[in-house]
Formats: sequence, C-alpha cells, structure tokens
Amino acid sequence: DADVTQTPRNRITKTGKRIMLECSQTKGHDRMYWYRQDPGLGLRLIYYSFDVKDINKGEISDGYSVSRQAQAKFSLSLESAIPNQTALYFCATSDFDNSGANVLTFGAGSRLTVL
Amino acid sequence: AQRVTQPEKLLSVFKGAPVELKCNYSYSGSPELFWYVQYSRQRLQLLLRHISRESIKGFTADLNKGETSFHLKKPFAQEEDSAMYYCALSGQGGSYIPTFGRGTSLIVHP
Repeated sequence: DADVTQTPRNRITKTGKRIMLECSQTKGHDRMYWYRQDPGLGLRLIYYSFDVKDINKGEISDGYSVSRQAQAKFSLSLESAIPNQTALYFCATSDFDNSGANVLTFGAGSRLTVL
Repeated sequence: AQRVTQPEKLLSVFKGAPVELKCNYSYSGSPELFWYVQYSRQRLQLLLRHISRESIKGFTADLNKGETSFHLKKPFAQEEDSAMYYCALSGQGGSYIPTFGRGTSLIVHP
C-alpha cells in the first residue's frame, strides 16, 4: 500500500462546483502539504500544516481551503471551481531524516479538470 | 525569500552523453538543496540531497555557495534517466518548507 494516498485520482467538473481532494498518509508524519503542478510553472505550494491545529497559506492559496481532520488526513477544497484551477494536485508529507533534511514523500497526484 | 531557478525547460541528449541540469538558488541563510525526479507514470520522489553528498543512479550534485548553484550531473546518460527533474530548496528561515524550481524535462535518445 502507498504511504500517501490521494483520492480521487482524476476528476472532471464544471465551473462553480465544489470539489474536495483528499489525502491520507501512513507515514506518521506531522507535516503535510498541498502543491499544484502546472506545465512550465513547476510545483507551487497551496497550503501546509505542521500538525492538526496548524494551517498555513502557501504561495497560491486564493480560491482554496484545507482541513486537517487528523494527523493522517489533509483535505483540499475548491469552494467554487474555475477553469484556471485545472491542474495536477499533489499531497505530500515530510519529516526530518537522519541527516536533518526535511524530505518530502508525495502522493500519486489528483488530476482535476474544470470545464 | 527563497527562490529556485532552473533555466532549461527541456534538455535533450543522446545515450552515453554527459548531462548537466542547472539549478541556481537565492536564499539569505544556509540552504538545504534537493533534487526530486518524476519518471513517467511514477510519483515524484527524492533523488538526492546535498547534505548527504551522495551519488544516486550515477547522478551527483555539488552545492556551490559562491555561485549559489546546485547543478545535477551524470557523466553518461541512460535512456531510463528520461524524466522530469525538480530542484528544491528549504531552509530555517522558511520553516524548512521546500520551494521548487520550474523543472527540467530530460530526454535521453537511444
């Protein structure tokens, strides 16, 4: 089983619809992240959380919200989807390894298309 | 603020040729640099990190603080190296949250 699981893997929706992307992890990591990947723009941080009571905006949080339901679960919501939110969304977790580096473990991605 | 620049969107080489994927960064403190790789139909995964000074799959990367660079190198490219490569930076000033470059697509031709 994957350490970081994202659902759904693919979703097509219409403008104005509410969408939730879910992420769960079995790594036991406190830190969780949502990134968005667009061709030519790389990965951009949407939101991150260092523990259940901690939520922080990233570089491109407008139009998105998150919920950290438990240490293992971190959901991303689009309250009213618009076409320029069409992208591949990645959830990630992290912990500091033996060398002190904060290394990310990624989910497989959720491809969202907004028509 | 922390920033990562990967100047090449696409790098195309032939099998056996040397490869260098460029990464430059901007950060006022002491950075941690990483290379992540995304092979076709696979998850984004860590390739290597500067703090470990390791060689993974024949790739190496040296942190050059004077030039603020962390270029990824391999002396002889293989077809299976074809992938998307992302340079990332984290540091204490940014709560160790990784900032990614725009990525370089490496294509190795047979």
